[in-house]
Amino acid sequence: SQTIHQWPATLVQPVGSPLSLECTVEGTSNPNLYWYRQAAGRGLQLLFYSVGIGQISSEVPQNLSASRPQDRQFILSSKKLLLSDSGFYLCAWVSGRGTDTQYFGPGTRLTVL
Amino acid sequence: GQQVMQIPQYQHVQEGEDFTTYCNSSTTLSNIQWYKQRPGGHPVFLIQLVKSGEVKKQKRLTFQFGEAKKNSSLHITATQTTDVGTYFCAGNFGNEKLTFGTGTRLTIIP
Repeated sequence: SQTIHQWPATLVQPVGSPLSLECTVEGTSNPNLYWYRQAAGRGLQLLFYSVGIGQISSEVPQNLSASRPQDRQFILSSKKLLLSDSGFYLCAWVSGRGTDTQYFGPGTRLTVL
Repeated sequence: GQQVMQIPQYQHVQEGEDFTTYCNSSTTLSNIQWYKQRPGGHPVFLIQLVKSGEVKKQKRLTFQFGEAKKNSSLHITATQTTDVGTYFCAGNFGNEKLTFGTGTRLTIIP
């Protein structure tokens, strides 16, 4: 069966520090991968998505970046965090066509102080 | 741009009352999906609607997709405390991504 992992589960970082969040998927090949951010009590904002290794589409210009070094690995990074980067970061995958169901990971709660 | 509007933002109901949330898009959707997010959790897929006018039921939950494929609704009959959470619709416009509505947070008064 397919599983999706995200780590860390929670993270507290100072303003200006770097960030690296990792997402890995097991049990599937060539998935579409997505990074979302959810501010407290708010909806889901799509940040990046990838349809294959090295292919990244950015939805919102900001100080975040994403990379897909392997088929089932998706990384969200920042060189210098801002207070506004705080939120709940969710990774999701889709098997095959991008129009299908998205399966979300457990998420990372990031607090920037 | 392609947006999906969802109302209401919040809904407080007495246990046993019905609940409905609505989604609207300005342009035709390829499909619409519904997700539920429990407090502190991540979104979990509920259902996908593809056909014009489609109606699907899951126990006390009824999902509808409009004839023009621009709107959708989720109706819960006789709410229970286990229904607490935020319900999101997510529209697909025929590309590789979903556009999520802002969500409706449902709270139940016992």
